[in-house]
Amino acid sequence: QVQLQESGPGLVKPSQTLSLTCTVSGGSITTGSYYWNWVRQPAGKGLEWIGRIHTSGSTNYNPSLKSRVTISVDTSKNQFSLRLSSVTAGDTAVYYCARLQGGFYYFGYWGQGTLVTVSS
Amino acid sequence: EIVLTQSPGTLSLSPGDRATLSCRASQSVSSSYLAWYQQKPGQAPRLFIYGASTRATGIPDRFSGSGSGTDFTLTISRLEPEDFTVYYCQLYGTFFGQGTKLEIK
Repeated sequence: QVQLQESGPGLVKPSQTLSLTCTVSGGSITTGSYYWNWVRQPAGKGLEWIGRIHTSGSTNYNPSLKSRVTISVDTSKNQFSLRLSSVTAGDTAVYYCARLQGGFYYFGYWGQGTLVTVSS
Repeated sequence: EIVLTQSPGTLSLSPGDRATLSCRASQSVSSSYLAWYQQKPGQAPRLFIYGASTRATGIPDRFSGSGSGTDFTLTISRLEPEDFTVYYCQLYGTFFGQGTKLEIK
C-alpha cells in the first residue's frame, strides 16, 4: 500500500521560501506511470493544484504560481519536494502531496496534509 | 484554462434521499479525465470516481458518476449519514471545482 507523508516547517515568514518534502513509502517513486503532485487548500476553501513532476524530470506548474514554484524529485530517497518563494499570508494553507495516475489523471493517493502558516 | 463549476454550492437533504451533484466544464472535455473526490473535515480528499463513471476501489455502489462533454454528475442513490460532507470534481489532474457541500436537512 502506497503511503505519502509531507514534512517541513509549519511556520514561514513573509517573503521567505516555503519548503516541503513528500516521502513515498510502499513503492518506488520511479515505478509506474505516475506523476507526483502538490495541492493546497486554504482553511475553509477549495483545492488548488500547485504543480507536478514526473521521475523523468518533466514538470508542470499552475500558471498562477509558476513564477514562484519549483518541484524536484530525489529518487534515491523516494521523495519529491516543493519550494514556493516570496510567500505571503495568502499562501497559508494545508499542503498535500498526491500521486497522479497517468492515463486517467486522477489522484489515487494523498498524504495527510500539513498546515503551513505564513506569518511574522 | 478550463473552469469547473459545481452546483449547487450546498445541498440539503435527508438520509435515504437521492443526491445529484453537478460539475460543468467551461469547454467540452474528455470524460476519461473527470474524477470526483469526497473530503471529510480534517482529512485529505479521497478518490471516489474516475473516468467520469468508474468507482474507485472500495466505493459503495450507491455512488455513481455519469456525463460527457461539459456536463457531469455524481449521484448518490440513497444517502447514508457518512455521506454528508464535501465533494469535488477534478479534471486532467489540474483543475478542481469549488466543491459541493452535502448537509443534513
